[in-house]
Amino acid sequence: QSVLTQPPSVSAAPGQKVTISCSGGSSNIGNNYVSWYQQFPGTAPKLLIYENNKRPSGIPDRFSGSKSGTSATLGITGLQTGDEADYYCGTWDSGLSAGFFGGGTRLTVL
Amino acid sequence: QVQLLQSGSELKEPGASVKVSCKTSGYTFTTYGMSWVRQAPGQGLEWMGWINTNTGNPTLAQGFAGRFVFSLDTSVSTAYVQISSLKAEDTAIYYCARLFCSGTNCWFDFWGQGTMVIVSS
Repeated sequence: QSVLTQPPSVSAAPGQKVTISCSGGSSNIGNNYVSWYQQFPGTAPKLLIYENNKRPSGIPDRFSGSKSGTSATLGITGLQTGDEADYYCGTWDSGLSAGFFGGGTRLTVL
Repeated sequence: QVQLLQSGSELKEPGASVKVSCKTSGYTFTTYGMSWVRQAPGQGLEWMGWINTNTGNPTLAQGFAGRFVFSLDTSVSTAYVQISSLKAEDTAIYYCARLFCSGTNCWFDFWGQGTMVIVSS
């Protein structure tokens, strides 16, 4: 059972917006930054968002991140069929020097 | 460009050992830590721990102490995870992931392609 809780699946139509939530507690998200990873079937995860809302070079601004209290949200606008993937939130507990992932959310673009 | 290249798939019998490698290029190996992440078939990502590439000091997550050993060969910019006394439940894809830290905040910015380890008699 993951420390961070994500919905197992979300879906939306092409062109629409979707949000994926990541819920934790004061010991993890509440006191640390959140990152997000995208994983297509059969491939390695890829960093999508770091430090709650920053995008690495090459990640389109259709992807955004936010955090409030002990929860974080990944937003994807202008959905494309190519966005269908699994999305994971993650955080680093600096006190424990340990990483944690959410259970993952499967995005379906209908 | 940063690259993490992992060793190939492994098929092992229960009780055997396996050593997975992660050869890096495109950056100074000892500048960033290295994490290992496990993904069982059809399951999510599970953080196994990390190794400080400067000191060689490993930190293993709960549930990974004992049979899992992280090591380094800095001369070839390579990290390893060795798993002993393999069990069927060790069947998974094992990823190395570079640990980028800014102050006390860290994330996994580059990933290896993954190594499939199958434990079966």
